[in-house]
Amino acid sequence: AQTVTQSQPEMSVQEAETVTLSCTYDTSESDYYLFWYKQPPSRQMILVIRQEAYKQQNATENRFSVNFQKAAKSFSLKISDSQLGDAAMYFCAYRSAETSGSRLTFGEGTQLTVNP
Amino acid sequence: EPEVTQTPSHQVTQMGQEVILRCVPISNHLYFYWYRQILGQKVEFLVSFYNNEISEKSEIFDDQFSVERPDGSNFTLKIRSTKLEDSAMYFCASSSMHSGNTIYFGEGSWLTVV
Repeated sequence: AQTVTQSQPEMSVQEAETVTLSCTYDTSESDYYLFWYKQPPSRQMILVIRQEAYKQQNATENRFSVNFQKAAKSFSLKISDSQLGDAAMYFCAYRSAETSGSRLTFGEGTQLTVNP
Repeated sequence: EPEVTQTPSHQVTQMGQEVILRCVPISNHLYFYWYRQILGQKVEFLVSFYNNEISEKSEIFDDQFSVERPDGSNFTLKIRSTKLEDSAMYFCASSSMHSGNTIYFGEGSWLTVV
C-alpha cells in the first residue's frame, strides 16, 4: 500500500517570502500522480498543483512550484512571494495511474501560517 | 466552472440515528468518491463508485455505511446508527474517466453526532 508522509506539522513564513513544504511517499508503482491540495479555514479542498510521475519537468502554477525527485520519492511544494491568502493546511496526495478511478492517499498535512 | 455540490453543509444528529449526505458530482464525471476528515486529522478515503457499483472501499467503510446513486445526478452516503466517532467532515468528490485526471472535491458536509 502507498503511504504519504509530511514531516512538518506546522510551518510559518513572512509575507512576500518563499517557503517550501516537504512530502515523501512510498510506492512500488512506477506510474502515478502527485498532488498538493490546500484547505483554508473554510475546509474546502482546493487543488494547488499536480505532477505526473512520468514527466521529468517539475510542475509550476504561478507562484507555486514543485521539486519532484522520483528516485528519492520526494515531492516538495515551493510557494514564492507568499501572500496572506496562502495561509491554510496543505495536503500532499498520491494517486495510482495503474487503475482508473483510483483513490487519493493523503499525508497528514502541514499547517502554513503567513505572517504580515 | 463546474463544481461538486454537497448538502447539507452542516448536520447535527442524535447518536443512533441515520444520516444521509447528498452530493451532486460534476456532470460529465464517471467516478465518485466519499472521503472523511475527523477534526485535526488527515483526509481518509471511504469509498469509490463507478458504473453504479462500488469499485473500491476502505476498512473504514463497513456495514454501517452505504452509497447510492438514486438518479442521474445525485450520489448519497448513508450512515446508519451513528456513533459519536462518526463526527467528521465528509467530502464528496468526482473525477472523469482517465486515472490521471484530477479529483475535484465538494465543500464538505460537517456531521456532528451528539
